[in-house]
Amino acid sequence: EAQVTQNPRYLITVTGKKLTVTCSQNMNHEYMSWYRQDPGLGLRQIYYSMNVEVTDKGDVPEGYKVSRKEKRNFPLILESPSPNQTSLYFCASSLSPAGNYEQYFGPGTRLTVT
Amino acid sequence: GDSVTQMEGPVTLSEEACLTINCTYTATGYPSLFWYVQYPGEGLQLLLKATKADDKGSNKGFEATYRKETTSFHLEKGSVQVSDSAVYFCALYTGGFKTIFGAGTRLFVKA
Repeated sequence: EAQVTQNPRYLITVTGKKLTVTCSQNMNHEYMSWYRQDPGLGLRQIYYSMNVEVTDKGDVPEGYKVSRKEKRNFPLILESPSPNQTSLYFCASSLSPAGNYEQYFGPGTRLTVT
Repeated sequence: GDSVTQMEGPVTLSEEACLTINCTYTATGYPSLFWYVQYPGEGLQLLLKATKADDKGSNKGFEATYRKETTSFHLEKGSVQVSDSAVYFCALYTGGFKTIFGAGTRLFVKA
């Protein structure tokens, strides 16, 4: 089954404790992206990747890191989480970097930073 | 800059009522337009799209027409069901590597 998986689905952590949210897709997609969803703000892009070893900042990259060492994986790293990073996070992938293509979303990771 | 504005929710309807969710956009160039749907506890999934002016996207009884003259892409359905309860996002793509999403509109359908 074609899908985007994220882990963990739920995470409660404390300020400053480094964490990684994993994202994996099995569709051989070139393009992958991370979004955060906050009430009233919709989805805002954090980082995206056009292909292996090629990443770039989205609209809200501060406090986040990413890497793309393999085509299928695109982990999101919070080196020193803060309470303002409490949010619902989605990973997405699509066949091409061109936005005309459908994006496939993972189920989301709800992160709480206390 | 490019942006998407959706009507605020929540929208509450009875089953079999007509639905319209308004979406307007600001963009340079000729964007592609999308509606995504998010069911409770799930990620977003594409509902329909239109890539040029006057195109109509349709899926699962939902429709939206790309109106360049009014910069709009309103989502419509003639008869909603309880299973349509979800959050609906309007989105646009104008080039580069970024899709811009609206704030989302939550729909509740009562039996």
